Amino acid sequence: QLQLQESGPGLVKPSETLSLTCSVSGGSIGSATSYWGWIRQPPGKGLEWIGTIYYSGSTYYNPSLKSRVTISVDTSKNQFSLKVGSVTAADTALYYCASSVAGTIRYSDLWGRGTLVTVSS
Amino acid sequence: QSALTQPASVSGSPGQSITISCTGTSSDVGAYNYVSWYQQHPGKAPKLMIYDVSHRPSGVSSRFSGSKSGNSASLTISGLQAEDEADYYCSSYTRSSTVLFGGGTKLTVL
Repeated sequence: QLQLQESGPGLVKPSETLSLTCSVSGGSIGSATSYWGWIRQPPGKGLEWIGTIYYSGSTYYNPSLKSRVTISVDTSKNQFSLKVGSVTAADTALYYCASSVAGTIRYSDLWGRGTLVTVSS
Repeated sequence: QSALTQPASVSGSPGQSITISCTGTSSDVGAYNYVSWYQQHPGKAPKLMIYDVSHRPSGVSSRFSGSKSGNSASLTISGLQAEDEADYYCSSYTRSSTVLFGGGTKLTVL
């Protein structure tokens, strides 16, 4: 059964780069039907889609974050990663990695538990 | 892209039916039949309840149903139960090949 687990620093300083990894277990990240994405939720607020990567490397980003975000896949480690540059307090959020068992970008039926990232000096 | 519009809160009594609306534009909700709905209990990851407007994933109760008309979509929960109390988010795939969420709706079961 496919499972996702986020990992990374829980505290990042303003202006630095936030880096998170999502480890995939129970299946191959290189599957031909695989979309892998990141979604975040500021404390007490709603969900915000950050972006998604197809197993081949094609990426899709939220236009409001595109200039600061990079999502990549490491098939050798069965992981995918998120980098957000020049972070501010507004980037403080619970970050989820997500995917779709059906292999689509349209919705996510598989989620990690989320990891809280706080931006503070 | 602006977030899809949802009511901040809705409420209903056990056994009743409630509907949560989700309004977008012709570039997102109105563009395709690709609206999904998520349920989120406090401290938990979101759970997919409806995909592609009206399809239920395996294991989701038939009390949950979805529909769409023009640029608006709706989630209806019938036979309301205490366990349905949660936050609900709509989401839409867009013409720009991106995903857009709604602001979320807090459902209170009275």
